[in-house]
Amino acid sequence: DAGVIQSPRHEVTEMGQEVTLRCKPISGHNSLFWYRQTMMRGLELLIYFNNNVPIDDSGMPEDRFSAKMPNASFSTLKIQPSEPRDSAVYFCASSLARGNQPQHFGDGTRLSIL
Amino acid sequence: QKEVEQNSGPLSVPEGAIASLNCTYSDRGSQSFFWYRQYSGKSPELIMSIYSNGDKEDGRFTAQLNKASQYVSLLIRDSQPSDSATYLCAVNGAGANSKLTFGKGITLSVRP
Repeated sequence: DAGVIQSPRHEVTEMGQEVTLRCKPISGHNSLFWYRQTMMRGLELLIYFNNNVPIDDSGMPEDRFSAKMPNASFSTLKIQPSEPRDSAVYFCASSLARGNQPQHFGDGTRLSIL
Repeated sequence: QKEVEQNSGPLSVPEGAIASLNCTYSDRGSQSFFWYRQYSGKSPELIMSIYSNGDKEDGRFTAQLNKASQYVSLLIRDSQPSDSATYLCAVNGAGANSKLTFGKGITLSVRP
C-alpha cells in the first residue's frame, strides 16, 4: 500500500519566493497533519484537517503560511514570502479520524531558504 | 499547554543491553500513547502504541504505561546497532479532535 506521499523531497529557493509543498494522504485516512521539524524546536504541529476541514491552525507561525485541502487526497502548504528562518523539514502525516489512531508520516520536504 | 517531556539523553548502551527510554506527560486526560523511531534524515516511523495501563510487548520492544504517574516508557531488549536512532514519545488527548503532542525525542546510540 502506498504511504503518505510528499513532494518535492528537497526545495532550495531564495528569500521572498513562494514555496508550495504538496501531500497525498494514505487512501481512506480522513485526518491530515502538517508538521515542521528543526533541531531547536523539534517536531511542531502547524495545522491539521479532519474530512478536509481545518480544525486547528494555531501552530501556523504567521500569515505568510497557509494550508488548503481541496479534496480527500490532496493538501498543500504554502509559504509566501519565504524567509531563511523557514528552513526546516516539513512533514505531512495522515490517520483515521478516530481519537486513538496513530499518524503515519510521509518522507518530508527538506526546505532551504537562502 | 499540554506537554510531553523526554528529558534524559542522549543515551548510549552496549550491544545486547536493555535500553530504557522514558517520557512523562502533563494532560491527565490523555488516552493514547505512541513511540516513533526516527533515523537521521528520515521521517518518524511508528513502532509501538499503548492505550491501557501495564506492559505491551512486540518482539524486542516493550511499552509500559502508568496513567496514575503520567509516565510512559519504551524498553528495547538485546539492543542492536540498528536501533541507533531518535525515539519520539507522542501522546494523544481525549476527544474527537484531539491531536498528538510530541516530545523532543531521545537519541539512542548502541555501541557494537
